Amino acid sequence: GALVYQYPRRTICKSGTSMRMECQAVGFQATSVAWYRQSPQKTFELIALSTVNSAIKYEQNFTQEKFPISHPNLSFSSMTVLNAYLEDRGLYLCGAREGGRYEQYFGPGTRLTVL
Amino acid sequence: GDSVTQTEGQVALSEEDFLTIHCNYSASGYPALFWYVQYPGEGPQFLFRASRDKEKGSSRGFEATYDKGTTSFHLRKASVQESDSAVYYCALGASSGSWQLIFGSGTQLTVMP
Repeated sequence: GALVYQYPRRTICKSGTSMRMECQAVGFQATSVAWYRQSPQKTFELIALSTVNSAIKYEQNFTQEKFPISHPNLSFSSMTVLNAYLEDRGLYLCGAREGGRYEQYFGPGTRLTVL
Repeated sequence: GDSVTQTEGQVALSEEDFLTIHCNYSASGYPALFWYVQYPGEGPQFLFRASRDKEKGSSRGFEATYDKGTTSFHLRKASVQESDSAVYYCALGASSGSWQLIFGSGTQLTVMP
């Protein structure tokens, strides 16, 4: 079956520091990866859409300078949160999709706490 | 822009009750529609999808039918179990050409034994 892993599951960082999170797809080819942030109120914000061998498209309010993303192959993607502050707290979710299919498969998320 | 509305924020049922969670959407054309379930401490799990009018999606006893006329994709289950307690999200595939998912606000289902 299609599985998506995310590392780390939880992380705590000091305000102003950076942290990197990873997403790995197993059992299918993650042609496209979407990064979301889920708030404590459970709403989803799309950060960016990434397709292998194409430019990464960031949503309004999110930038490459703040959330650089790498998607080097069909099984792996990573995102870094640079200079994290309190408003960056939340559950970061990776949703991976195989080309031509509608559904996205999500990892368990990386929960970011900023002190 | 595209949007999804789930009217029930919370639903509380007893085991073997019938479940309905309402989902209405606003989008042009025929967007793909999805149901996801999220358990505590986990990411959303794909339940099923439908992509054309009158198509029924189903999984694990849950089902929903794509209704273009009423722009709805209501989730139903005939007999819920305590293990079904979770947050359920209706989502649509954006009609703008992007493949992003637009999620509803979620419905917390609590099933009491």
